[in-house]
This record gives sequence, structure tokens and C-alpha cells, in this order.
Amino acid sequence: QQKVQQSPESLTVSEGAMASLNCTFSDGTSNNFRWYRQHSAKGLEVLVSIFSDGEKEEGRFTAHLNRANLHVSLHIREPQPSDSAVYLCAVSFNTGNYKYVFGAGTRLKVIA
Amino acid sequence: DPKIIQKPKYLVAVTGSEKILICEQYLGHNAMYWYRQSAKKPLEFMFSYSYQKLMDNQTASSRFQPQSSKKNHLDLQITALKPDDSATYFCASSQESDFYAEQFFGPGTRLTVL
Repeated sequence: QQKVQQSPESLTVSEGAMASLNCTFSDGTSNNFRWYRQHSAKGLEVLVSIFSDGEKEEGRFTAHLNRANLHVSLHIREPQPSDSAVYLCAVSFNTGNYKYVFGAGTRLKVIA
Repeated sequence: DPKIIQKPKYLVAVTGSEKILICEQYLGHNAMYWYRQSAKKPLEFMFSYSYQKLMDNQTASSRFQPQSSKKNHLDLQITALKPDDSATYFCASSQESDFYAEQFFGPGTRLTVL
């Protein structure tokens, strides 16, 4: 069964400091990784998608994928209090269907 | 303007009753999905549809029945509601149901079963 685990469960950073979130997955043949942000009582906002090993930047958000280590991370540059939210890692496993498997999320709090 | 509409935003139901959650997307997408997020579990996949046909069903219970009356609609009927069904239900859509398709999510319907 495919598994996606995120760490830490919660993270508090100061405004302007780099925030780093981690995600590990169970299957190295996965090809499709996304980071979403979820503000309280709202839907999901896609931040960055990455399909191959290396780095992908979208504005202040950078994803790093290392498929050999079964690891994808998200780095948020110069976080603002408005970035406080739950960040979800989603992995699409190579099983013939196209569902996403989500991690439990990292709750980020950015303090001024 | 919202591109994926879910109605209602909040829903309270009594145990044993039946409810329908509405989802409409105006992105011109051909694939639609339902996910569930409860307090105890991460966001989890339920169903996927492509061109109004069921592609995948990961929901064990037949109490959950998706209904696609139009290409851009995918409603979710839930019968014999139980308190454990309490969750936020998210509808999503993508251009096609292929491996690299970006899935866009609606705002969710928060269901509480008493």
C-alpha cells in the first residue's frame, strides 16, 4: 500500500526565515509529486509540481525531489504570516490509476 | 469567479438519513474526483470519473454513490449516514485523467452527522 509521510507535524518560523518541510513516500517509481497549501476552512491551492529529480521553483516555493531517497521537500523563502497554513504533500503512484495519495500535512505558523 | 463550485458549504445531517453533495466545475475538464478529509485521516481518494465514466473506486462502502448527470457535474450521494461519515468532502477536476494531470480542488463541503 502506498504511503506518504510528512514531517514535522508542525513548524513555527519567524517571518523572513526559511521554512523547510519534508515528505517521504513508499515507492520510488512514483513520478508525480505536488505540494498543496490549505488555509483553515478552505480548499487546496497547488504550490508546485515536480516530476523529475532535482529542483523546481515557483515564486517563493521550491521543491526538491530525490527519488532514490524517496524524499521530496518544500522550501519557503521569506515566509509571511499569511503563509500560515497546512501544507500537504501529494504523490501519484504508478499503479495504473491517477489518484493522489496525501500525507497528513505539516501545520506551519509564521510569526511576525 | 470560482471555477469549482461545491454546494452546500456546510451540511448537518442525522444518522440514517441521505444527503447529496453537489460539485460543478467550469474549467472545461474531462476528469473529476472526490476526496474526503476527516479529523482522523489524511485527505483520501474516493472516486475518479473520466468523460462521465467511473475510472476508479477506492471507497469500500456502497453507501457512497457518485452521480454524473453532465460532463462538468459529479455529485456524491451518501445514504444511511453514520457519524463516522463526518468529514470535509472535496471535489477535484483535471483536464484529463492521465498521470501528469494537475488536479484542481474545490472549497469542500463540511458534513457533520449527528
